[in-house]
Amino acid sequence: GQSLEQPSEVTAVEGAIVQINCTYQTSGFYGLSWYQQHDGGAPTFLSYNALDGLEETGRFSSFLSRSDSYGYLLLQELQMKDSASYFCAVRDEDNQGGKLIFGQGTELSVKP
Amino acid sequence: EAGVTQFPSHSVIEKGQTVTLRCDPISGHDNLYWYRRVMGKEIKFLLHFVKESKQDESGMPNNRFLAERTGGTYSTLKVQPAELEDSGVYFCASSPPLRGSPLHFGNGTRLTVT
Repeated sequence: GQSLEQPSEVTAVEGAIVQINCTYQTSGFYGLSWYQQHDGGAPTFLSYNALDGLEETGRFSSFLSRSDSYGYLLLQELQMKDSASYFCAVRDEDNQGGKLIFGQGTELSVKP
Repeated sequence: EAGVTQFPSHSVIEKGQTVTLRCDPISGHDNLYWYRRVMGKEIKFLLHFVKESKQDESGMPNNRFLAERTGGTYSTLKVQPAELEDSGVYFCASSPPLRGSPLHFGNGTRLTVT
């Protein structure tokens, strides 16, 4: 089967750094993505890793290790508005529109 | 550009009734996806259209679910007859025909079957 594992919830304080891990087991692998969802609204794209290593976008960074089937999302200088659900997702087909397989999501709570 | 729009935002129906959800993707996005999230669980893939063709419908739970995308523009997802376990948030997403493009999601339709 295909599965992605991530912690169900994480709590941190403003200004801190938090890391959300994701391990995956899928039939194909063509990149790991991260999405953010506020209050049950539309999930929005945060980052994408096709190759091993770290991708940085402002306060957010994402890491991938294909040999370990593992990635993480790193959020720095946490702000209250970062409280949301974060999903990792794997694209399992190498074409122009392969579907994403999502994890269960990690609910991040940022406290003052 | 206008984002992905879904209608209705909420729907409450009784078991055995029929509901039709609609999704308008971003203009020019050939790829259209339907997903469902049940409380606390993963965003589960239902199916994928490329233009008007069903590319992958491996996630459709059973034949009570029917998705269409006539003319390759908007899509509908009909549930008939609805069962209690169909409750959840149904998301539609679209993406352009470019390898690795991120998905653009709508705000979802919250379906409650009583």
